Amino acid sequence: DTGVSQNPRHKITKRGQNVTFRCDPISEHNRLYWYRQTLGQGPEFLTYFQNEAQLEKSRLLSDRFSAERPKGSFSTLEIQRTEQGDSAMYLCASSREADEQYFGPGTRLTVT
Amino acid sequence: RKEVEQDPGPFNVPEGATVAFNCTYSNSASQSFFWYRQDCRKEPKLLMSVYSSGNEDGRFTAQLNRASQYISLLIRDSKLSDSATYLCVVNMRGYSSASKIIFGSGTRLSIRP
Repeated sequence: DTGVSQNPRHKITKRGQNVTFRCDPISEHNRLYWYRQTLGQGPEFLTYFQNEAQLEKSRLLSDRFSAERPKGSFSTLEIQRTEQGDSAMYLCASSREADEQYFGPGTRLTVT
Repeated sequence: RKEVEQDPGPFNVPEGATVAFNCTYSNSASQSFFWYRQDCRKEPKLLMSVYSSGNEDGRFTAQLNRASQYISLLIRDSKLSDSATYLCVVNMRGYSSASKIIFGSGTRLSIRP
């Protein structure tokens, strides 16, 4: 399967713990995006990489959130000191130079 | 006012009907537009890009009206499998030229036999 992959698919964690998610984009795509989606809402943009450079971060991305894409291939999204409000689906997408994005299956985070 | 607005629906139409959704956007500098479809508990999947001249893909037609700042999606001869949430996406370039990609909250469509 050459689509976008994300791991893990589900994560249950206790409030205050740190979690890290991974995204592997489509191999020839140089752009990578992270989104958060809650029930009944569209995905909310979190951050965007072009190759290894993080070009934009949303105001939604508080200090507890950090994303990396060290070699311009896979990316990680870390949430420190998780809160119940962080419970959501975290989606990763990738694209070539154009803006047509292809999404991975998401990581569903539940903070108890 | 939200930057990208969609009627949440649900639209409940019989199989074979024609249904249309609109999506309005607030930033006149917006540069690219897309429709995605999202099935329950699945990721969004690209349905089609929306070009200035309008574009058609089988039963689906997308149009852009820059003067009134909206995009539309028309589905003809609807099928049961068209039941999903349809997300409008607008890429608004900011003053820094960085992308600002905004998803609408989606319009739910339910096709009944």
